[in-house]
Amino acid sequence: EAGVTQFPSHSVIEKGQTVTLRCDPISGHDNLYWYRRVMGKEIKFLLHFVKESKQDESGMPNNRFLAERTGGTYSTLKVQPAELEDSGVYFCASSQVVSYNEQFFGPGTRLTVL
Amino acid sequence: DAKTTQPNSMESNEEEPVHLPCNHSTISGTDYIHWYRQLPSQGPEYVIHGLTSNVNNRMASLAIAEDRKSSTLILHRATLRDAAVYYCILSSVSGGYNKLIFGAGTRLAVHP
Repeated sequence: EAGVTQFPSHSVIEKGQTVTLRCDPISGHDNLYWYRRVMGKEIKFLLHFVKESKQDESGMPNNRFLAERTGGTYSTLKVQPAELEDSGVYFCASSQVVSYNEQFFGPGTRLTVL
Repeated sequence: DAKTTQPNSMESNEEEPVHLPCNHSTISGTDYIHWYRQLPSQGPEYVIHGLTSNVNNRMASLAIAEDRKSSTLILHRATLRDAAVYYCILSSVSGGYNKLIFGAGTRLAVHP
């Protein structure tokens, strides 16, 4: 069974540009989470989807970040416009909706904003 | 969200047992204790979880104190592949999901 995949693995952009990160969860996993680690900091929760609905957006840093999960399958995280402090590794995770759900993480997308 | 306290780093020799401690004195009755680890250049990986009783799986064992204010992840025979950052996380599970609040974790070095 394929794990969580993320694309691209690396992205280097200029400040002010737009970047879109993609996450494909494990098939059948209705929960999808985004996390990120910015330089020198801990991994932080960004948001959580159940199918196509946003359940918790409490970790989204500001309105430059937009997450979508149309159709309840893959998800995208758009950063527009990107700022220097957005540099870091963005992780996606998915899990089933059961009483306890182990989260399966993707390898992450390393974003560098110059 | 409840906080956990872990040592910054630990070292072990290959094939020896490793006991990774975690303090969580403010744990609530509905909080599960989760352990994840992050190998170099990879995303976090689930290790084990528990609520009140000790737990064993193919990767590790989790020993939970009777008052639940601390726990210990036990790797029975460390291998070089176990070198990673280990995160102890508290999270309640409701509605079939839980968000993970990561701390700094414990960086485990395993020596041949």
